[in-house]
Amino acid sequence: EAQVTQNPRYLITVTGKKLTVTCSQNMNHEYMSWYRQDPGLGLRQIYYSMNVEVTDKGDVPEGYKVSRKEKRNFPLILESPSPNQTSLYFCASSFAESYGYTFGSGTRLTVV
Amino acid sequence: GENVEQHPSTLSVQEGDSAVIKCTYSDSASNYFPWYKQELGKGPQLIIDIRSNVGEKKDQRIAVTLNKTAKHFSLHITETQPEDSAVYFCAASGMESNYQLIWGAGTKLIIKP
Repeated sequence: EAQVTQNPRYLITVTGKKLTVTCSQNMNHEYMSWYRQDPGLGLRQIYYSMNVEVTDKGDVPEGYKVSRKEKRNFPLILESPSPNQTSLYFCASSFAESYGYTFGSGTRLTVV
Repeated sequence: GENVEQHPSTLSVQEGDSAVIKCTYSDSASNYFPWYKQELGKGPQLIIDIRSNVGEKKDQRIAVTLNKTAKHFSLHITETQPEDSAVYFCAASGMESNYQLIWGAGTKLIIKP
């Protein structure tokens, strides 16, 4: 089944403790992207990647890092999480940026 | 930069009636316009998309229309059913956004039985 898999689905952590949210797709997609979704603010793009080793900032990149060492994986790294990063995070992939995206099921992160 | 406005924020319709959600965009060079449906507890799912060289596209009960002159596009759902209840997002992309999707704020569609 074609899908984007995010892990974990739920995470509660403490301020400053480094964490990684993994994202993997099995569709051989070139393009991948991370979003955060907050009530009243819709979907905001954090980072995106057009291909392996090519990443670029979205609208809200502060406090996040990404890497794209292989085509299928695009992890999101929070080096020092803060409470304002409490949010619902989605990974998405696509054949290219102006084509339909497949989204993962989301990761609900709480930073206390 | 590119901006996408979506209306209404909430739409309540009787089961069996039609629903229409509208989006306007600011960049006249935008050329790709997808619509996504997000059900509770799930990620958004692409339901239909349209490119700037097409005025209308249909897929069963769902249709999207694009008016490039007025810079707006609309989602039409006919014969609504309970399973259509969800949040719907429009988006647009083009050169001004470096081909990244610019999203509308979402419309919560409620289907009343």
